Amino acid sequence: KAGVTQTPRYLIKTRGQQVTLSCSPISGHRSVSWYQQTPGQGLQFLFEYFSETQRNKGNFPGRFSGRQFSNSRSEMNVSTLELGDSALYLCASSYQGGGANVLTFGAGSRLTVL
Amino acid sequence: GIQVEQSPPDLILQEGANSTLRCNFSDSVNNLQWFHQNPWGQLINLFYIPSGTKQNGRLSATTVATERYSLLYISSSQTTDSGVYFCAGPSGGSYIPTFGRGTSLIVHP
Repeated sequence: KAGVTQTPRYLIKTRGQQVTLSCSPISGHRSVSWYQQTPGQGLQFLFEYFSETQRNKGNFPGRFSGRQFSNSRSEMNVSTLELGDSALYLCASSYQGGGANVLTFGAGSRLTVL
Repeated sequence: GIQVEQSPPDLILQEGANSTLRCNFSDSVNNLQWFHQNPWGQLINLFYIPSGTKQNGRLSATTVATERYSLLYISSSQTTDSGVYFCAGPSGGSYIPTFGRGTSLIVHP
């Protein structure tokens, strides 16, 4: 069973640009969550998508957006990049059933903003 | 929102030593998970443990949901155990887990 696949793994952008990150969940998982990890703030929740709908959203500005496609693959977009957006972006998929929500993470996309 | 405290924040061990990592929650949680983040950044599932005790090789975990804490035991530590250990769990009716700040473990040969 393939795991969670995130692309690209590494990328470098300059301030003001935009970036799109992709996440392919485990087959059969309909929930995809995105997290931002920085040394100062730790792991912070961005948003969660379930069956193509944003079901939960963290406390991030509108520059951060996402979507989910009918095959459960998800993308997140950050527009007008700032230096502080440099971080490891982690995607997790889960099969939610029976009251359980067990997250499986991808390897992450490491974004550097210059 | 729920607060998650992990202790100790940093831990340095010699290979072969045992250790206990702790996770305290400010509110009752369900779906509690422990993760290991390796030096390349990947978060690896260790345990899904809403209550009780589970063991997997040299690792075991115990969650006492009524007292809002969970423990991760590492026995006979190896250098490959190095990394950051996180616990996470949602509370209330939410599916979204809140993560602790992690315990950074370094195991020296």
